[in-house]
This record gives sequence, structure tokens and C-alpha cells, in this order.
Amino acid sequence: EAGVTQSPTHLIKTRGQQATLRCSPISGHTSVYWYQQALGLGLQFLLWYDEGEERNRGNFPPRFSGRQFPNYSSELNVNALELEDSALYLCASSDLGRSSYNEQFFGPGTRLTVL
Amino acid sequence: DAKTTQPPSMDCAEGRAANLPCNHSTISGNEYVYWYRQIHSQGPQYIIHGLKNNETNEMASLIITEDRKSSTLILPHATLRDTAVYYCIAGNTGTASKLTFGTGTRLQVTL
Repeated sequence: EAGVTQSPTHLIKTRGQQATLRCSPISGHTSVYWYQQALGLGLQFLLWYDEGEERNRGNFPPRFSGRQFPNYSSELNVNALELEDSALYLCASSDLGRSSYNEQFFGPGTRLTVL
Repeated sequence: DAKTTQPPSMDCAEGRAANLPCNHSTISGNEYVYWYRQIHSQGPQYIIHGLKNNETNEMASLIITEDRKSSTLILPHATLRDTAVYYCIAGNTGTASKLTFGTGTRLQVTL
């Protein structure tokens, strides 16, 4: 069974630009989560999508946004990039519909560098 | 999600059991205890979870105290590949459904 995949692996942008990160969940999983891990810091929850809808959002400004497509893949967009947006962005998926608990499977991440 | 407290770092000799403690004194009755680990620069990996009973799988055992205010993750025979940051999370399913990661315990397994 294929795991969670993310693209690109690395992304380099300059301040003020926009970044788009992509995630494909495990087949059959309907929930996708995005987390940010800045250097030396823990994972911070960004967004949760389920069945195409945004279900929960972490404490991040509106320039962090995303969407989930009908095939349950997801996209994270970061507008007006700032230097402190440089981080590892992790995507996770889960199947809340069949599980009574929240086991999340993580992808390898996209490392975003803002210059 | 309930706050969790873990020691920042621990060492363990290869082949010995690694016992990683976690305090979650404000955990509510419907919150599970999850353990994940993150090997350097990779995505976190699910290890085990429990509600109130002790649990065991092929990776580890989870011991939860009767009052549920603390738990211990046990890696029975630690190997060098178990060197990672281990996160203890007390979380709920349902409407929130996010995992709140703390700073975790950095486990160093040595020869």
C-alpha cells in the first residue's frame, strides 16, 4: 500500500512570492492534515480537510490556505511568503470514518526555504 | 487537547529496554494517549495509542496508570534505529481531530 506522498521535496522561493505544496493521502483516507515544523520547533497544526471541507484551522494567518480535491488529495498555498515561513511542511492522512481514534499517517514533507 | 510533559532527552544502551515517561495530568475521559516518533527530518511515525488499558503491538508497549494521569512507552529491546524524538500526545477524535505535538523526548540509543 502506497503511503502519503508530497511534492515537491524541496522548494525555494523569495519573500513575497507564493508557494504551492501538494499532498496525496493513502488510498481510502478522506482526511488530510497539514503541519508546519520550523527549525528547532515542534510540529504546529495548520489545517484539517475532510471530505472536501476545511474542518479545523490552527493559529496561522489567512495567507496560509488550502483545499482538498474530489480525489481527496490536497494543496497548501502560502501567499506573500515571509522568511519565517521557512520550514518542513508535513501532510498526514487518516480515515476517521472507519476508525474510532485518530491515527495519522505522515508523508516525508516538503522543505520550503524562503530567501 | 490536554497538555503533556516529557523529559527533553534520554539515553538507552542498545538491546536494553527504553522506558519513556509522559505526564498528562489534565487528560479528559475521552482523550486517547498517542505516541509518535520522528527520525531526523522524516515525517512522524505512529507507534501506539491507548485509552485506559495497557496496549502492546509489534513496536512497543504502552502502560497507562489507573488514574490516566501518566503513561510510559516501552521499547523492549532498543536498537540504534530507534534513535528519534518521541512525542506523547493526549488527543481527541471528532470535531477537533488535530494532534497537538509538544517538544517530545529525544531518545539516543548507544552501543
